[in-house]
Amino acid sequence: NAGVTQTPKFQVLKTGQSMTLQCAQDMNHNSMYWYRQDPGMGLRLIYYSASEGTTDKGEVPNGYNVSRLNKREFSLRLESAAPSQTSVYFCASSEVSEQFFGPGTRLTVL
Amino acid sequence: AQSVTQLDSQVPVFEEAPVELRCNYSSSVSVYLFWYVQYPNQGLQLLLKYLSGSTLVKGINGFEAEFNKSQTSFHLRKPSVHISDTAEYFCAVSEVDTGRRALTFGSGTRLQVQP
Repeated sequence: NAGVTQTPKFQVLKTGQSMTLQCAQDMNHNSMYWYRQDPGMGLRLIYYSASEGTTDKGEVPNGYNVSRLNKREFSLRLESAAPSQTSVYFCASSEVSEQFFGPGTRLTVL
Repeated sequence: AQSVTQLDSQVPVFEEAPVELRCNYSSSVSVYLFWYVQYPNQGLQLLLKYLSGSTLVKGINGFEAEFNKSQTSFHLRKPSVHISDTAEYFCAVSEVDTGRRALTFGSGTRLQVQP
């Protein structure tokens, strides 16, 4: 089992460019999440999906969109990247009480 | 809504010494409690969790934590640390009754173990 996988691992964008971060899990979990990690702030929830076909906003959703493509995949899209979106992005999945995290995507917006 | 406060941003400690990383939370509903560890340039790994039952929870790598409901705390302890424990540690909570399992994290504590 690969667990939770994320692509790409690193990305540099210019302000205004768009991109999609991909996430997939092979644990047959219903719930999936996107977090961002910034120094001194821990991880903050961007969006989550309790099940296939549903998505909900988290603490910091502005500037992002998500798609729960199927049970395995949950993507995060930045339509027009801004320097404030420079961060490390983590995807996670869970079934009952434990979340499993991917390795992260380090995004820099110039 | 919940919030989590990790009282120390950095904790330096010598190898083989005991350590305690402090975590307090605030919530209007019952919560589950977690400690995660993040090694440099890696994702998060679960150390331990409290769901119910005994308030003393044992986790991986010799760590343990105690849930104190009256003080709304969930402090992490290890009796003797190793150099390999150098990492960032995050306390987190999630709601019990609502089914909303997203985690609310503290800001993290960087544990620096010195030889």
